[in-house]
Amino acid sequence: NAGVTQTPKFRVLKTGQSMTLLCAQDMNHEYMYWYRQDPGMGLRLIHYSVGEGTTAKGEVPDGYNVSRLKKQNFLLGLESAAPSQTSVYFCASSRQGGPYEQYFGPGTRLTVT
Amino acid sequence: DAKTTQPNSMESNEEEPVHLPCNHSTISGTDYIHWYRQLPSQGPEYVIHGLTSNVNNRMASLAIAEDRKSSTLILHRATLRDAAVYYCILRDYSGNTGKLIFGQGTTLQVKP
Repeated sequence: NAGVTQTPKFRVLKTGQSMTLLCAQDMNHEYMYWYRQDPGMGLRLIHYSVGEGTTAKGEVPDGYNVSRLKKQNFLLGLESAAPSQTSVYFCASSRQGGPYEQYFGPGTRLTVT
Repeated sequence: DAKTTQPNSMESNEEEPVHLPCNHSTISGTDYIHWYRQLPSQGPEYVIHGLTSNVNNRMASLAIAEDRKSSTLILHRATLRDAAVYYCILRDYSGNTGKLIFGQGTTLQVKP
């Protein structure tokens, strides 16, 4: 049981390049989330999904797109990376409905130069 | 979303109890109080949650004020491994999205 995994762990991009971050969970969770964390700050919600084929915007969605084609995977895309997107990205998942905890992945450290 | 207020930092001695306060004066009836912690260079991990009654689990206890406008996370015997950022979060279940809105949290230092 791996829980929540994220790929890649580290990445350096040049301004304008694109990339996709992959989040996978093996707990059959309905809900999945993408957060970003800047130095010294709390996490901010980028996008989330309450089920396969559905996505919704969080607090800071601009510059990102997401897709949830399979229940176990949640992809975060940066079409044209900017230095302001330098951050640590965390994925999380949880069961549907009640006050269930979110399980977080180990994070992806992204640097945009 | 209702907001929480926590001290920026706290210190504790190893093997002593730690009381981490959180104010949430605008809490609504559908908000659960959740606590997460983030160890250095790791993703957050769930600690405990409650609605109205005090709660205990293997990691900590949660004491909730009668009016629900404040709560306290209690670590009964702090260890060096408990040094982390602790987040108090109100989670609204009325919209059924399970979103968490993180604040700045409290950085806990544990001294040997």
